[in-house]
Amino acid sequence: ETGVTQSPTHLIKTRGQQVTLRCSSQSGHNTVSWYQQALGQGPQFIFQYYREEENGRGNFPPRFSGLQFPNYSSELNVNALELDDSALYLCASSSTGGPEGEKLFFGSGTQLSVL
Amino acid sequence: GESVGLHLPTLSVQEGDNSIINCAYSNSASDYFIWYKQESGKGPQFIIDIRSNMDKRQGQRVTVLLNKTVKHLSLQIAATQPGDSAVYFCAENRGPGGSYIPTFGRGTSLIVHP
Repeated sequence: ETGVTQSPTHLIKTRGQQVTLRCSSQSGHNTVSWYQQALGQGPQFIFQYYREEENGRGNFPPRFSGLQFPNYSSELNVNALELDDSALYLCASSSTGGPEGEKLFFGSGTQLSVL
Repeated sequence: GESVGLHLPTLSVQEGDNSIINCAYSNSASDYFIWYKQESGKGPQFIIDIRSNMDKRQGQRVTVLLNKTVKHLSLQIAATQPGDSAVYFCAENRGPGGSYIPTFGRGTSLIVHP
């Protein structure tokens, strides 16, 4: 088990609503990456945060936004939810600048269902 | 589209057999690759990694082979056990256009029959 924790584990929202997902990174890690995983697919990179700044972004619209806090925990916010946003949202922490900087440690994810 | 793809979506093996899971990548700028295992209801878990200056790396019961000429990775699991049943993903550290976006393939589901 990694030390990455995500909350909530499951969430049900309706189309048009907004959602905030939370992630606590593993101790000693300074970078958080968020991924969306649709059923039967591989994780798709949303964005990464390092030192409280966005450090890279995948092909996701601006209604997907995030924050990283001084303690390196992070939030993923999604506005104007669409049915296709239903997926498992994974948070991964890593240690940029460390010897294993590119190795991602994943949490168990938040399963979001949009009705 | 995804820059990493897998040849077989499902692989069924008998307990005790060796398993080989293949992966093709398309971004020649990628210089670091990781295999992850994802069990039902969990996030991906690191198995083994390899840098592009190597062509083989061994772990406990697992071996990763890298062929940069044809941009191909494989994960070999020796003496496969029922606990190895999971979806396996390869990931490369570069995305489209050489961007620093860790990119995952679709995954291969490994089913181990006792």
